[in-house]
Amino acid sequence: DAKTTQPNSMESNEEEPVHLPCNHSTISGTDYIHWYRQLPSQGPEYVIHGLTSNVNNRMASLAIAEDRKSSTLILHRATLRDAAVYYCIRDRRAGTYKYIFGTGTRLKVLA
Amino acid sequence: EAQVTQNPRYLITVTGKKLTVTCSQNMNHEYMSWYRQDPGLGLRQIYYSMNVEVTDKGDVPEGYKVSRKEKRNFPLILESPSPNQTSLYFCASTQQGSVGELFFGEGSRLTVL
Repeated sequence: DAKTTQPNSMESNEEEPVHLPCNHSTISGTDYIHWYRQLPSQGPEYVIHGLTSNVNNRMASLAIAEDRKSSTLILHRATLRDAAVYYCIRDRRAGTYKYIFGTGTRLKVLA
Repeated sequence: EAQVTQNPRYLITVTGKKLTVTCSQNMNHEYMSWYRQDPGLGLRQIYYSMNVEVTDKGDVPEGYKVSRKEKRNFPLILESPSPNQTSLYFCASTQQGSVGELFFGEGSRLTVL
C-alpha cells in the first residue's frame, strides 16, 4: 500500500513544541515528503517538504529518518492558530505524478 | 494574486442531473488535480493532469470525468451524480517538475439528493 499513516489526533499545550509523526514505509528513493495543514473551512496549505535531509523554514522543521520510512513535522512553539489537520504526503516523482495523502492528524492546541 | 478558483462553492443537486465544477488557476501551472474529502478518509485524488490534453486517473475516478483543453482550466464533470458523490471537492495546481507548493482552491461542497 502506497499510503502514509498518521495518528488520528494529538494534543499540545500552547507554546510547547509539537512532534507530528508520519509513517511512509513503502516510500521509494525519488519520492519527496510534503506536509500540508488544513484549517477549518479552508483548503490545505503547504507547510514544508524534503527528500533526505532535515529541513527548516519559518513555519516548521521536518526531520526525515535515515531509512526514509518515517518523518516528523516539528512545530517549535505551538500556538492556537496551529490547531488544524496536518497531512503527510508522498510526492511521487517516478512514473505517475501523484500526491498521495494520508488521513491526517488533527492537532488540538490547549491554551 | 496567485490563486486557484473553484465554482460553485456550494451546490445541492439531484441524482442523475449532470453537473460541472470548474477550476481555474492564474499561475501558469502545468499540473492540476482534483481531490475529494470525506470524513475519516482524508483527501483522495480523483484525476490529475500533467499538461494540456494529458489527464490520468487518481485513486477514485469512478463516476467522474475531466478535461484539460486549456492550461488554466481543469473542470470536473459528474455525468450522472449519485448520493455517494456527496463530498467536499478540492482542486489544486503546481508547477510541473518542481518540488514546490501545491496550491489548493477553497473547496466545493456538493450534495447529491
